[in-house]
Amino acid sequence: EIVMTQSPATLSVSPGQRATLSCRASQSVSSNLAWYQQKPGQAPRLLIYYASTRATGIPARFSGSGSGTDFTLTISSLQSEDFAIYYCQQYNNWPPWTFGQGTKVEIK
Amino acid sequence: QVQLVQSGAEVKKPGASVRVSCKVSGYTLRELSMHWVRQAPGKGLEWMGGFDPEDGKIVYAQKFQGRVTMTEDTSTDTAYMELTSLRSEDTAVYYCTCHLGAGLLIWFESWGQGTLVTVSS
Repeated sequence: EIVMTQSPATLSVSPGQRATLSCRASQSVSSNLAWYQQKPGQAPRLLIYYASTRATGIPARFSGSGSGTDFTLTISSLQSEDFAIYYCQQYNNWPPWTFGQGTKVEIK
Repeated sequence: QVQLVQSGAEVKKPGASVRVSCKVSGYTLRELSMHWVRQAPGKGLEWMGGFDPEDGKIVYAQKFQGRVTMTEDTSTDTAYMELTSLRSEDTAVYYCTCHLGAGLLIWFESWGQGTLVTVSS
């Protein structure tokens, strides 16, 4: 089973600033990595797949990068609606499909 | 656009079973790879099982083997997840989620609204 590790657990950022979230896989997942955003009381929402492809309707301030074992989600200029929990997920080696434990982006 | 609408919240006693439904619209079940993910209160996302595109069968996480059954009714485009022998640790929000298409690489494009299952005596 591939273990996904996200860091940091919590990221405090001021509105308008950049946020950089990390995700590491226990073995290579190529570019088969997705990112999701989850707000309180809501279902997760797909942001990024294939490590860097934005899903339909996702603003350009969200970008993904990386391949192999190390990945990054960058939010270039945080808006109020971006404060949420972000999860990475690998879909290269399955089953199981595995998620990271999440990074909470909070207002500084 | 795929829409997934789940059944309502459930309260169950330990040892009981629960069945959660997930109604698909916008596409047919046959066009989707359906999976189930749960989230305990204040915790992260945990994959439970779903469609294995390589052999066309439903595969379950080892943790739930023997306790979970996922089925699909293509006549009504409704997926079901049944979990038996419930214990307090099964208290969680259960999500159906899906990937559109028949490829081997599956990320989760659409999600149901979630169904809260509470297990309490």
